[in-house]
Amino acid sequence: EAQVTQNPRYLITVTGKKLTVTCSQNMNHEYMSWYRQDPGLGLRQIYYSMNVEVTDKGDVPEGYKVSRKEKRNFPLILESPSPNQTSLYFCASSFGTGVREQYFGPGTRLTVT
Amino acid sequence: AQKVTQAQTEISVVEKEDVTLDCVYETRDTTYYLFWYKQPPSGELVFLIRRNSFDEQNEISGRYSWNFQKSTSSFNFTITASQVVDSAVYFCALSEAGNNDMRFGAGTRLTVKP
Repeated sequence: EAQVTQNPRYLITVTGKKLTVTCSQNMNHEYMSWYRQDPGLGLRQIYYSMNVEVTDKGDVPEGYKVSRKEKRNFPLILESPSPNQTSLYFCASSFGTGVREQYFGPGTRLTVT
Repeated sequence: AQKVTQAQTEISVVEKEDVTLDCVYETRDTTYYLFWYKQPPSGELVFLIRRNSFDEQNEISGRYSWNFQKSTSSFNFTITASQVVDSAVYFCALSEAGNNDMRFGAGTRLTVKP
């Protein structure tokens, strides 16, 4: 089954404790992206990647890191999480560039206390 | 910079009513793409439609229709004869061909009451 998977689905952590949210897709998509969803703000793009070893900042990249060492994986790293990073995070992927239909993962709800 | 505005934060209708969700966008690019996504209460994001800037034809898919008007920079979404299952948050989004990033609106929460 074609899908985007994220892990973990739920995470509660404390300020400053490094964490990684994994994202994997099995559709051989070139483009992958991370978004955060906050009430009243919709989805905001954090980082995106056009292909292996190619990443670029989205709208709200501060406090986040990403890497794309393999085509199927695009982990999101929070080196020192803060409470303002409490949010619902979505990973997405698509063929080609970012102008195509994106397939979204199920979301990761992160709470930073 | 590109921008998407969904001015309607919440809409509530009674089943079988028609409802239109508004989307206004801003871009300096001549080639761009517009999208609508649905987020039902279960939380996943579901793709509904993609339109490029050179195709202003309206689209109809069952009870759903989309009206793209470049003159007013709008890409509105109409649900005809709404059903309870249409209750969801709907997002409009814009991607410029030269950019590869994606800009979403704040979303409109639609509640359809039986």
